[in-house]
Amino acid sequence: EAGVTQSPTHLIKTRGQQVTLRCSPISGHTSVYWYQQALGLGLQFLLWYDEGEERNRGNFPPRFSGRQFPNYSSELNVNALELEDSALYLCASSPSNYGYTFGSGTRLTVV
Amino acid sequence: GQQLNQSPQSMFIQEGEDVSMNCTSSSIFNTWLWYKQDPGEGPVLLIALYKAGELTSNGRLTAQFGITRKDSFLNISASIPSDVGIYFCAGLRIQGAQKLVFGQGTRLTINP
Repeated sequence: EAGVTQSPTHLIKTRGQQVTLRCSPISGHTSVYWYQQALGLGLQFLLWYDEGEERNRGNFPPRFSGRQFPNYSSELNVNALELEDSALYLCASSPSNYGYTFGSGTRLTVV
Repeated sequence: GQQLNQSPQSMFIQEGEDVSMNCTSSSIFNTWLWYKQDPGEGPVLLIALYKAGELTSNGRLTAQFGITRKDSFLNISASIPSDVGIYFCAGLRIQGAQKLVFGQGTRLTINP
């Protein structure tokens, strides 16, 4: 069974640009979660999607947004990139409320 | 926002030693999870705890869900080099936000 897959694995963008990160959950998982992990820091909750709807978002500005598609895959969009957006962006999926499975993440560097 | 206090922040031990780390919160959680993260990778679930007082083992790892539902600990016995990494506790509340809240992590370094 394939795990959670994220793409791309690495990305370099310049300040002010926009970026889209992608996540494919484990087959059968309807919930997708996005987390930001800045270097050396813990995981900060960004967004939760379930059945195509945004269910909850963390304390991030509106330029962080996303969506979930009918096949439950998800995109995270970040507009007007700032230097402090440089981080590892992790996607996780879950069939319910237990035992999130994480992908390997997308390392975003903003220069 | 909601936070878990995880300690210690870092540990430097000798191979073969036992390790203990814990998480506390001012809030009650329904589920406690422990993850390990290797450099450049996503966190990998080690142990999940679903009931207050529950004690669960996974090989050399043992974790407990505190009776008050506000804390959990993880023990690693007879550490080996591949135990190196960052360990995160995470709590989940079923009501309301339904998001996983993470501790700050414990960075484990092992001297051979």
